[in-house]
Amino acid sequence: KQEVTQIPAALSVPEGENLVLNCSFTDSAIYNLQWFRQDPGKGLTSLLLIQSSQREQTSGRLNASLDKSSGRSTLYIAASQPGDSATYLCAVKYGGSQGNLIFGKGTKLSVKP
Amino acid sequence: NAGVTQTPKFQVLKTGQSMTLQCAQDMNHEYMSWYRQDPGMGLRLIHYSVGAGITDQGEVPNGYNVSRSTTEDFPLRLLSAAPSQTSVYFCASSYSSHLGGSYEQYFGPGTRLTVT
Repeated sequence: KQEVTQIPAALSVPEGENLVLNCSFTDSAIYNLQWFRQDPGKGLTSLLLIQSSQREQTSGRLNASLDKSSGRSTLYIAASQPGDSATYLCAVKYGGSQGNLIFGKGTKLSVKP
Repeated sequence: NAGVTQTPKFQVLKTGQSMTLQCAQDMNHEYMSWYRQDPGMGLRLIHYSVGAGITDQGEVPNGYNVSRSTTEDFPLRLLSAAPSQTSVYFCASSYSSHLGGSYEQYFGPGTRLTVT
């Protein structure tokens, strides 16, 4: 069964710290991987999309990497800010461009001022 | 562009009632899907569609019905609401053909449903 796991489930860091969120997946035959942010009571906001042929994507203070052979992706957040506090979700697409996303359960990040 | 819109934002139903959750997108995306999000369970796929007239079941389809008569709209129908269907429902869309752009998936703001 294709599964996506995110560890840790929750993380608390002081403002300014660099941090890494982890995502692992059981089947390496992915089509793409997407990182989302979800604020309490809100929808999902797409942060970064990595195609299976790519190794990393960057947007501002965010950098996502992909290692298909080991079944892992990381989301690196530089110089964290209280506004980064949210739940971060990793989702993997299998089955080509018409495939469906399989989600991890998320990492709840709290950045303390 | 409005992106993906969902109505209503909140809904309370009594057991046995039926209702339709609306979802619309204005990005000309072929692929649309419905998820439910429950504490401790994450997001689970209910139904999806790869184009007008084509729908298929996801992981948790029981008790839900969908149709896709236009590219823009993908309504989710609850046939006879049960307390187990209390959840937050999200609609999503993306391109799915090789002629499209990025296959990034976009989500709506969600509908919070309570069944008593």
